[in-house]
Amino acid sequence: GESVGLHLPTLSVQEGDNSIINCAYSNSASDYFIWYKQESGKGPQFIIDIRSNMDKRQGQRVTVLLNKTVKHLSLQIAATQPGDSAVYFCAEKVGGTSYGKLTFGQGTILTVHP
Amino acid sequence: DSGVTQTPKHLITATGQRVTLRCSPRSGDLSVYWYQQSLDQGLQFLIQYYNGEERAKGNILERFSAQQFPDLHSELNLSSLELGDSALYFCASSPRTLTGTGTYNEQFFGPGTRLTVL
Repeated sequence: GESVGLHLPTLSVQEGDNSIINCAYSNSASDYFIWYKQESGKGPQFIIDIRSNMDKRQGQRVTVLLNKTVKHLSLQIAATQPGDSAVYFCAEKVGGTSYGKLTFGQGTILTVHP
Repeated sequence: DSGVTQTPKHLITATGQRVTLRCSPRSGDLSVYWYQQSLDQGLQFLIQYYNGEERAKGNILERFSAQQFPDLHSELNLSSLELGDSALYFCASSPRTLTGTGTYNEQFFGPGTRLTVL
């Protein structure tokens, strides 16, 4: 039969707006989270990370918020630029002996209009 | 440029064949990870090596195998290829493995190998 591709959530914003990309994770044992950006034809690129003992971390134009109560992660991009257009993935690491194994979310397509 | 290199960039082959994908990690990185990215499954972790030893296994089929050599480069071998194996295969590296509540390290991804099985 015909395979069905993933239907990724999409977010369209105007240049200069702030963007918020959300991610729900399922494993309460996850102790480390990362946001990756993937541009067309390229591999994922690290944006920002956060440990489970934190609820907020800021980088350059980006902020990650972690709500462990509802197992929710968000990425805020300030003053979004056309170069921010990409697929954004959250990833989680499960603790214990998994030695760095990352589990990725399905991704969100961000489109920034000039 | 992440510093991780992968060859070849594109690979087209037929069902039933065997291919080898190669990855060179960033200089000094001991851990290598392999991921498969397909349209219907998203980005899936396959396997991790640390300093030549297998450390973690994910959704890797028995037809697939990998190894990490003394010079730390890694190869992913895919055999008895099926149409559904068509995907992007990424390699990532990080400086050292994670141990319990120890330090956390970013994974740097290579540009990927696009495999097409006809």
